Amino acid sequence: DTEVTQTPKHLVMGMTNKKSLKCEQHMGHRAMYWYKQKAKKPPELMFVYSYEKLSINESVPSRFSPECPNSSLLNLHLHALQPEDSALYLCASSHPTGLSYNEQFFGPGTRLTVL
Amino acid sequence: AQTVTQSQPEMSVQEAETVTLSCTYDTSENNYYLFWYKQPPSRQMILVIRQEAYKQQNATENRFSVNFQKAAKSFSLKISDSQLGDTAMYFCAFMRPNAGNMLTFGGGTRLMVKP
Repeated sequence: DTEVTQTPKHLVMGMTNKKSLKCEQHMGHRAMYWYKQKAKKPPELMFVYSYEKLSINESVPSRFSPECPNSSLLNLHLHALQPEDSALYLCASSHPTGLSYNEQFFGPGTRLTVL
Repeated sequence: AQTVTQSQPEMSVQEAETVTLSCTYDTSENNYYLFWYKQPPSRQMILVIRQEAYKQQNATENRFSVNFQKAAKSFSLKISDSQLGDTAMYFCAFMRPNAGNMLTFGGGTRLMVKP
């Protein structure tokens, strides 16, 4: 299994809603990532988990709350979002730092619209 | 800090012809990895090719090859025998080992393959 899956594919939510994005991989990767991507722009790193521990938080607002329940799962909990948070949210995974084959494998993304 | 620059926001090529996408980067590191990722309109980011900086030989993957010029900090992607399915956004990316596998992306080049 060389796939990163993400659910849902599309999500529309109001500014007062609470929702979660889910990411899953079964490649034995121990590093997982959340990115935010606006149209026609490169992905922007939000969070990095290494061995299920948050290792990097790129100064993301607290209305985004990541969670890594186990080595295969990564969640992004959303609360009180703003319309400018509308974007494609990408999940990725890789082998940990220090291994030669460390490229990131990306999921298909969740298209989020905040009304 | 590393920066990655893709100077061609958009390019087009006729089917079956060859096209080269440019990428330059700035770093003081000697050991690093470079990647080209492809993101078709369906949006899933796919790794096209990778290059380790310590390897002098240019990487090739079927119709895709790179011209890695370490001294010039240049990493161009050549696509031979272009196919309609090559239409996509192409992102050049830099990774410094032992730094959380964090990717620094260029701004992207939108490639259109015309029939």
